[in-house]
Amino acid sequence: SQQGEEDPQALSIQEGENATMNCSYKTSINNLQWYRQNSGRGLVHLILIRSNEREKHSGRLRVTLDTSKKSSSLLITASRAADTASYFCATDARSNDYKLSFGAGTTVTVRA
Amino acid sequence: DAGVIQSPRHEVTEMGQEVTLRCKPISGHDYLFWYRQTMMRGLELLIYFNNNVPIDDSGMPEDRFSAKMPNASFSTLKIQPSEPRDSAVYFCASRQGAGSDTQYFGPGTRLTVL
Repeated sequence: SQQGEEDPQALSIQEGENATMNCSYKTSINNLQWYRQNSGRGLVHLILIRSNEREKHSGRLRVTLDTSKKSSSLLITASRAADTASYFCATDARSNDYKLSFGAGTTVTVRA
Repeated sequence: DAGVIQSPRHEVTEMGQEVTLRCKPISGHDYLFWYRQTMMRGLELLIYFNNNVPIDDSGMPEDRFSAKMPNASFSTLKIQPSEPRDSAVYFCASRQGAGSDTQYFGPGTRLTVL
């Protein structure tokens, strides 16, 4: 079952703008990860944030985690056409060793 | 490293036929996962292995599905007999083990059952 749910389902922005997507989950977690999937390809790991962390940066990516609200956000700054993809959050629940539960994803389209 | 390798990349078969999907994980990775992705159900974990041993197969939809990992460098997912509702993209992923939470995905096998 999908524990994480992304919002919005789809997002269309202009190149250079920022893209923000959110993920909500239901149970306590060890960590939360974000993955990207380009059309017709496998998922690629972007960033991981642990339950005791509140914010993490990696290049143009910024992830926040609010465990009290059971939510996370992914911000992509200065978007590029190459950022066009689907983005998934994945949670590693404390009760499920080594299993990741993926959300339905947010499809991001960056217009040139 | 070549990453996770899956074959075939595309498979078209007729209902009732046996389908075998193959996966070669990244060398040195102790965990292997099989996922199925559909528009309706998203990405679902089917089964995962640790050191070639199946740990959790609760996501395997029916007895028609079976998975094996005869050695550390090879795994198969078999569907017998196949049905149209099995049409999906099947991903294999591997993970290094304790201390590393990142899963590395293969390119997937797009299965179409007519």
